[in-house]
Amino acid sequence: AQSVAQPEDQVNVAEGNPLTVKCTYSVSGNPYLFWYVQYPNRGLQFLLKYITGDNLVKGSYGFEAEFNKSQTSFHLKKPSALVSDSALYFCAVRDKNRDDKIIFGKGTRLHILP
Amino acid sequence: DAGITQSPRHKVTETGTPVTLRCHQTENHRYMYWYRQDPGHGLRLIHYSYGVKDTDKGEVSDGYSVSRSKTEDFLLTLESATSSQTSVYFCAISEGQANHEQYFGPGTRLTVT
Repeated sequence: AQSVAQPEDQVNVAEGNPLTVKCTYSVSGNPYLFWYVQYPNRGLQFLLKYITGDNLVKGSYGFEAEFNKSQTSFHLKKPSALVSDSALYFCAVRDKNRDDKIIFGKGTRLHILP
Repeated sequence: DAGITQSPRHKVTETGTPVTLRCHQTENHRYMYWYRQDPGHGLRLIHYSYGVKDTDKGEVSDGYSVSRSKTEDFLLTLESATSSQTSVYFCAISEGQANHEQYFGPGTRLTVT
């Protein structure tokens, strides 16, 4: 079955340090991959996507993600974390076997410690 | 949340009553989606629409129905609310399906007592 996994429920990072939020996927064919962020009591906001081309994708708020086909991963990264980056992050992948609907991971809560 | 509104934003209802949630967009996007968000489950797709009067089921569609009579409005109805339908419901829109990002509304918190 096609799926997306976020292996960490929570990630804690000190302010100013680099951060990584992990995502792995399992799909047939070429993956379309997305990252979204959710702040408290808000809907999800689109951060970035990989469709094709350069493996390093840059997105909003200084975030970037690297598509790694051999490791089937699409980890979200930022060189220097801000307290305001504290939020819930979702990875998502196109499900080719479900009429191209997007399926979401369970989310990773990111805590940036001052 | 610009361009997408959901109503009501909060609702408390009793078991067995019908409930309708409304999603309204001003972006003229073709696709509209209803998700529910529950702890430990992430977001799960309930139903989606790919045009006026064109809808399809998602992975958790039992107990829910939808209607889309206009491009801008997508209604989600809980035919007979149950406590297991207590959740936060999000509407989303997108221009296309596979390679297009989705834009989400602010959510509706529904409590079924």
